Amino acid sequence: EVQLAESGGGLVQPGGSRRLSCAASEFILSSYAMNWVRQAPGKGLEWVSVVSASGVGVYYADSVRGRFIVSRDSSRNTLYLEMNSLRDEDTAIYYCARRGSGRGFDLWGQGTPVIVST
Amino acid sequence: QSALTQPASVSGSLGQSITISCTGTSSDVGFYDYVSWYQQHPGKAPKLMIFDVTNRPSGVSNRFSGSKSGSTASLTISGLQAEDEADYYCNSYTGSDTLYVFGTGTKLTVL
Repeated sequence: EVQLAESGGGLVQPGGSRRLSCAASEFILSSYAMNWVRQAPGKGLEWVSVVSASGVGVYYADSVRGRFIVSRDSSRNTLYLEMNSLRDEDTAIYYCARRGSGRGFDLWGQGTPVIVST
Repeated sequence: QSALTQPASVSGSLGQSITISCTGTSSDVGFYDYVSWYQQHPGKAPKLMIFDVTNRPSGVSNRFSGSKSGSTASLTISGLQAEDEADYYCNSYTGSDTLYVFGTGTKLTVL
C-alpha cells in the first residue's frame, strides 16, 4: 500500500533537538517534492518545509528557518526533519506530505507529536 | 507570509450547498492557480479534496468543487452529507522563500 509513516516525536526540553523521520512505502520518495506540515494543539495547519524532487530546492517557513533542516535518504526511501533550538511554540503534530501531480499534497502520514516542555 | 483568511465556521443543512471562502493577496492566491483544499476530521490527517483551484483527485466526490476570483478562492460542497462535517483548510503556493501558506481553517457543521 502506498503510504507515509512518521516517527521520532516525543518530549523535548526547550533549546533541545529532535529528528523526525518519514518512511515512504510502495513509491519512490525522491520522485516527488516532499513537505512537512505541523498542527499545534487545537490550531490550524502550518506549512513547515519542502524539499523538491531534484533535492536542490529546499524551503522553510519563516518560523523555523535557521533552526530546522529538511533532508532525505534515497537508499532508505525516507524523509527527515532535523529540529534544533526547539521552542514551546514548536509543540505540534508533525505530518509529512507528498506533493502530487499538481500542487496539492495528495498523500499524508498519520503524524508524530512533538512536545517542547520542561 | 500571513495565513490566508477563511471564515471560522460555516453551517448548512443536509442536502443543501455551502461555500467556504479563502482570501489571500495578489502575491499568492491572486497570482498563482495553485490553490488546494483539505478536509480534516478530528484526530485524523488532512485529506486533499481540490488541487490547482478546480481539480478533484480520483476518489473525491463530485459534490466538491473549487473556483477562484481575484485573490479569493472558494470551495463549494453541494448536497451536504453528515460525513462532510469537518475542518477545511485552503492552501496556496506563494513562489517566495515560504513556498506555501495555509488558510486559517473553517469548521463546517452539518445541521
